[in-house]
Order: sequence, then C-alpha cells, then structure tokens
Amino acid sequence: DVKVTQSSRYLVKRTGEKVFLECVQDMDHENMFWYRQDPGLGLRLIYFSYDVKMKEKGDIPEGYSVSREKKERFSLILESASTNQTSMYLCASSLAGLGNEQFFGPGTRLTVL
Amino acid sequence: ELKVEQNPLFLSMQEGKNYTIYCNYSTTSDRLYWYRQDPGKSLESLFVLLSNGAVKQEGRLMASLDTKARLSTLHITAAVHDLSATYFCAVAPWYNNNDMRFGAGTRLTVKP
Repeated sequence: DVKVTQSSRYLVKRTGEKVFLECVQDMDHENMFWYRQDPGLGLRLIYFSYDVKMKEKGDIPEGYSVSREKKERFSLILESASTNQTSMYLCASSLAGLGNEQFFGPGTRLTVL
Repeated sequence: ELKVEQNPLFLSMQEGKNYTIYCNYSTTSDRLYWYRQDPGKSLESLFVLLSNGAVKQEGRLMASLDTKARLSTLHITAAVHDLSATYFCAVAPWYNNNDMRFGAGTRLTVKP
C-alpha cells in the first residue's frame, strides 16, 4: 500500500512565524503535491514537484515555497504565516505519466493566530 | 482555465434510495477521478476513469465518464449509512496530468 505521511496532524502558529510542513511517501513516486482545503472551495493546488529539486506553481503559490531535496520528501514552507493561511493542508504523491491517481496523506490542520 | 463543478453540494438521502452526483468540467480531458473523504480524514481514491464511456462500479457506487459532454456521474444505489461522506471529483486537463482540479465536493448524508 502507498503510504503518505505528514509530520503533524495539528499545528498552531503565530502570525509572522516561519512554518514547515513535511511530507514523506514510501512508494518511490516521482510526483508530489501540496494542496490546501477550505470549506466550499474543494482542494486547491499550491505547488507540485515532478522530480528532485524541481517544482511548479499551482493555483495559489503566493505566501508559500517548497523544497524537494530527496525523492521521498516534499516540504511546504510558509515564510511568514498569516491568519488567512489557516487551513487544512494535504500532501499527495503519484507516479509520473498520464492517468495515475494521487494518493493523499492524512492532512495537517494549521491554525495561525 | 479548467473549472470543475459538482452538484449538488449537499445531499441528504434516506437509506435504500438511489441518487446521482454530477461533475461537469470546462475543458477537454479524458482523465477523471473520484475520491471519498470521511470527516477528519484524508481523501481515498474511489475510481479512475480514463476514456470516454468508461464505467466503473464498486459496491453501491458506479461512476461513468462522458468526455464529449464533459460530464461524469457518481450513482449511488440503495444508499446505506456507511456511504455518508464527502465525495470529490477531480479532472486533469489533457495538456498537464499534474494540474488536477477538484470540485468543491458533495457532502452526502444517508439517514436511516
């Protein structure tokens, strides 16, 4: 079974703090993704990576950056957290190529005070 | 820009009844995915539909894809309480498999 793990299930940070969200997958997937999920908006793609050190912006990259130094690990960084970044963050991974479904981690619920 | 619309957004059903959730999308694609999310949990893959006319069934759920109409349906047969969850469809445009767009989700509640 594909396993995607995220470093924290719940996180509370203060405005202006730097926040790191970590995601690890164990199935040697080439692609990794970060989404945020907000009520009524579905999932929105923040960034994705198709290879080590490679990244592409998604729909809402502003205020976020990412890092992929190893194939199995994809980090989401909030350089200076703001209250409007309070959300559920979901990491996913997939094999490269067309038609491959994404497998999701358990999510991190981030609250920025 | 690819847009994905689901309806209804909220659905309350009696056990034993049938219903259909609709997923419309705005640009050419033949890759559509259905996911289920239980409260407080992550998304679980239900179906992957990769061609026009594709139909997949698992238990009381059946998904289909009409790429010409840009429409997928998720049909629920004889609903049971265990099907209560939020269901998302997601579509990848033909030009970029990684740029998957999700619908807003349909929150299904099945009542006894």
